[in-house]
Amino acid sequence: DTAVSQTPKYLVTQMGNDKSIKCEQNLGHDTMYWYKQDSKKFLKIMFSYNNKELIINETVPNRFSPKSPDKAHLNLHINSLELGDSAVYFCASSQRPGSPFFGQGTRLTVV
Amino acid sequence: RKEVEQDPGPFNVPEGATVAFNCTYSNSASQSFFWYRQDCRKEPKLLMSVYSSGNEDGRFTAQLNRASQYISLLIRDSKLSDSATYLCVVKGANFGNEKLTFGTGTRLTIIP
Repeated sequence: DTAVSQTPKYLVTQMGNDKSIKCEQNLGHDTMYWYKQDSKKFLKIMFSYNNKELIINETVPNRFSPKSPDKAHLNLHINSLELGDSAVYFCASSQRPGSPFFGQGTRLTVV
Repeated sequence: RKEVEQDPGPFNVPEGATVAFNCTYSNSASQSFFWYRQDCRKEPKLLMSVYSSGNEDGRFTAQLNRASQYISLLIRDSKLSDSATYLCVVKGANFGNEKLTFGTGTRLTIIP
């Protein structure tokens, strides 16, 4: 059974579109994260939720909006996609304050 | 100074050799430290946590030097399967600060 699962795994879309990435964890963790890994492989945190409460909100454009309906799910919605949004987006979870366990990533390509 | 800094490599090392990486961090109040490995086109996976007294897991040894603000990873008797990018990770100082900062990674290739 996959511990942290993200869908879709690959996403190719045109500029200006709106898209969502879903994430679910079955580890019983209380904290979930979204990370972005750019073409230079730099991994940077975007958001973190603990028990559905936003605890980390890094400087990202407000076109990116996370939503946590419950502590096992953290979705990421992106409006008006731009070329520079192309990256791999990783969802992760942890039991606070432990180290995160990552999902397999969503490779987003904006054309 | 970057929050977490690593030598990007690449390190090309013959099989069976010993290799070591260092990683420096800027926040002296940082509390938790980890090494992750990331294979090509895969997600990062926790390799080991780094404890103040140093710790070992099989062929891997991690150490923390708070005075000089660096952590290290030593791999002995390297295997072809050790080829990966190794990411140094530093966690914020407070319980309420869950932010982990990743280094850019050190690329290691083990040569047969």
